[in-house]
Amino acid sequence: SQQGEEDPQALSIQEGENATMNCSYKTSINNLQWYRQNSGRGLVHLILIRSNEREKHSGRLRVTLDTSKKSSSLLITASRAADTASYFCAPFSESYQLTFGKGTKLSVIP
Amino acid sequence: ETGVTQTPRHLVMGMTNKKSLKCEQHLGHNAMYWYKQSAKKPLELMFVYSLEERVENNSVPSRFSPECPNSSHLFLHLHTLQPEDSALYLCASSQDWGIGYGYTFGSGTRLTVV
Repeated sequence: SQQGEEDPQALSIQEGENATMNCSYKTSINNLQWYRQNSGRGLVHLILIRSNEREKHSGRLRVTLDTSKKSSSLLITASRAADTASYFCAPFSESYQLTFGKGTKLSVIP
Repeated sequence: ETGVTQTPRHLVMGMTNKKSLKCEQHLGHNAMYWYKQSAKKPLELMFVYSLEERVENNSVPSRFSPECPNSSHLFLHLHTLQPEDSALYLCASSQDWGIGYGYTFGSGTRLTVV
């Protein structure tokens, strides 16, 4: 399947620091999406970047996409305790499926 | 509240029981999805419905039976489950299937099979 693989699996930072999470995928995509999941809850859509875009911003979030390397990164600037959650990348493939990896578990320490 | 409502939030059932999970959305979306999230595994796409027609069935055992009576409601009927079916079951919807829009997820049903 075309699921993304997030790296690292877990990340612990101090409040105010920046958090960077990476995602790799295997085949061609139409777009790539990032989601957040608070413990035991549903996923929340954060941002979508199309295959012809290289960078996108939304508030404190910055996403990059490098289709030649089949990779993406999510940067959260000036992190807050409320950013503590699991983050998933989801490549949307040409087979019309949105698939998810195991996620990066981010802990922001106050 | 995301606009996708799942009930119940928690469910404990025996292996011989029959139960149903319910998902409801009033976002005007045309596609609905069931995902299974088990500990330490990626989310698994189970079923996809587009305009009330099933378009994907990813090798899911027949003890899981989906139903989509209209574009706002999606059910997952469960019978003779196994303990390894214990997981968080997530429902999601999107404007259309196959276009790559973002998905809106419900809060999930935490299922425990005993």
